[in-house]
Amino acid sequence: QQQVKQSPQSLIVQKGGISIINCAYENTAFDYFPWYQQFPGKGPALLIAIRPDVSEKKEGRFTISFNKSAKQFSLHIMDSQPGDSATYFCAASNRNRDDKIIFGKGTRLHILP
Amino acid sequence: GAGVSQSPSNKVTEKGKDVELRCDPISGHTALYWYRQSLGQGLEFLIYFQGNSAPDKSGLPSDRFSAERTGGSVSTLTIQRTQQEDSAVYLCASSLVRGLISEQFFGPGTRLTVL
Repeated sequence: QQQVKQSPQSLIVQKGGISIINCAYENTAFDYFPWYQQFPGKGPALLIAIRPDVSEKKEGRFTISFNKSAKQFSLHIMDSQPGDSATYFCAASNRNRDDKIIFGKGTRLHILP
Repeated sequence: GAGVSQSPSNKVTEKGKDVELRCDPISGHTALYWYRQSLGQGLEFLIYFQGNSAPDKSGLPSDRFSAERTGGSVSTLTIQRTQQEDSAVYLCASSLVRGLISEQFFGPGTRLTVL
């Protein structure tokens, strides 16, 4: 059973556009929802994270929207730049229990110059 | 050190051989995690250590996989009798403490290819 489902698998966006990646989760015990960014040959790096007690978190051009009742969350990248081209993973964990991160399968984002 | 380091960066081996993958966590980090990244499968949790003990081994795919951590620092992931399906990037992460406030920092990974 895939606990965190991510879509789309790949995404192409024009420079300056908005990139949107969606995720859905099953386990209501999850209490921490991070997004990771991974460049080729590198490990994933934490980009932004949210807890389920807020509906939105914004850091610069990156925004997480969270819908607890629908068990869905999404990443929005405003004014997308070629340097944003990377693979993005949504994830979820229960930080009160074991901090094990359950990852989505990733979205390969390409921003056209 | 400045970040999590892993060695080797690339490993090519023949089916049936044993391999050892090494992870050096950030100095002072007590928690250490191993993940596997396969093409099209995202990142899969394998095992985590709190200090030198591994309370959760549930992600290890088979008994050919084992891991140890010594001195609360370096960890080694061992795969015995490697199979072609073991080919993947093996990622290590460490965090200061396990739990609420601690971010996991990832190393660059070891790309394992089993011929």
